[in-house]
Amino acid sequence: GDSVTQMEGPVTLSEEAFLTINCTYTATGYPSLFWYVQYPGEGLQLLLKATKADDKGSNKGFEATYRKETTSFHLEKGSVQVSDSAVYFCALSDYGQNFVFGPGTRLSVLP
Amino acid sequence: DTEVTQTPKHLVMGMTNKKSLKCEQHMGHRAMYWYKQKAKKPPELMFVYSYEKLSINESVPSRFSPECPNSSLLNLHLHALQPEDSALYLCASSQVRDRGQPQHFGDGTRLSIL
Repeated sequence: GDSVTQMEGPVTLSEEAFLTINCTYTATGYPSLFWYVQYPGEGLQLLLKATKADDKGSNKGFEATYRKETTSFHLEKGSVQVSDSAVYFCALSDYGQNFVFGPGTRLSVLP
Repeated sequence: DTEVTQTPKHLVMGMTNKKSLKCEQHMGHRAMYWYKQKAKKPPELMFVYSYEKLSINESVPSRFSPECPNSSLLNLHLHALQPEDSALYLCASSQVRDRGQPQHFGDGTRLSIL
């Protein structure tokens, strides 16, 4: 079946550092890809999405590009803030399938 | 502020109690979902409703009973729960069930079983 793999962390960075969270997927079809963020005590918020190869999703300084050749959707941000501390989930949705979530990556940003 | 509203935010119940979780959305979405999330884990799908009809039940014990009274409301009825059912219960909705449609989540109900 479909699956998503991502670095579980925790990832600890200093404020203004560059962030990369790796995400790779396995899918039988041609999935859509998503990044969600979960702040403490809250539900999941959609951060960005991409529905076809080479699409770049972006939001709030975060970016990810759908790379079909490497089956990847890595999340990047040029300069993280303390307020970005959260858990980040990579997910895919394929035809006739439910969402498949990765295990989540906990990010801590220190001032 | 989320556009999917869940009540209550917290619930503590004994193993013999009956309670219900409520979820509401006014975005005109026709697909709604219940997830269970344990600490430090991703959400696990429990139920999917599409156009108010149950389309997926992921082998969830019968002590969890979903209900979709109309296109805006989703309930989860709880009865005779076990301590291992303590978790964050998340509701989500999407425009329709389609690969390109993102799901929008509520903030969840944190459930504790005594």
